[in-house]
Amino acid sequence: GQNIDQPTEMTATEGAIVQINCTYQTSGFNGLFWYQQHAGEAPTFLSYNVLDGLEEKGRFSSFLSRSKGYSYLLLKELQMKDSASYLCAVLAGTALIFGKGTTLSVSS
Amino acid sequence: GAVVSQHPSWVICKSGTSVKIECRSLDFQATTMFWYRQFPKQSLMLMATSNEGSKATYEQGVEKDKFLINHASLTLSTLTVTSAHPEDSSFYICSARALAGGSGELFFGEGSRLTVL
Repeated sequence: GQNIDQPTEMTATEGAIVQINCTYQTSGFNGLFWYQQHAGEAPTFLSYNVLDGLEEKGRFSSFLSRSKGYSYLLLKELQMKDSASYLCAVLAGTALIFGKGTTLSVSS
Repeated sequence: GAVVSQHPSWVICKSGTSVKIECRSLDFQATTMFWYRQFPKQSLMLMATSNEGSKATYEQGVEKDKFLINHASLTLSTLTVTSAHPEDSSFYICSARALAGGSGELFFGEGSRLTVL
């Protein structure tokens, strides 16, 4: 079966750094995605990892360890607008399977 | 970047009626599109994989006779919710992968919020 786990909720303050973890057990692996979703809107793409290591893109970085079935999304210099749901998703075969998402609340 | 357009964005219908949602890839061809459903405060659940020119592949627990999918062309897939009931009220999102993009990034439509009265 497919299983993707991430924390349900996290809180942080402006300017801080937060790490959102994701562990997965899937039949097949063709890459791991992170998406940001604001309430009532479609998800927007943040990052894609298919090889082990860290991918950095501005304030956001994503890490993957395939042997451990583990990824994290690192958000630096948090801003209020970063308050959203962050979805970890694994490309298993041709379909993208989503975790339940982590709701991040950023306070001033 | 690639664009996926979904229509309508909002739809309200009476119980028992059918609703059609369209998903178009505007600047690329998509042999495969995916339909997701998202209930409030929950993540996206894959409903089915829509294949151009062939039958859709449905996930376990999704009624194929209730959620009709037609992938008529390389740029259009439709989802029809037949005999809709209040429990079908949800956010329906389509997506497609632009393989030429290199990363295999999945692009999402804007979503369609269905409310069944």
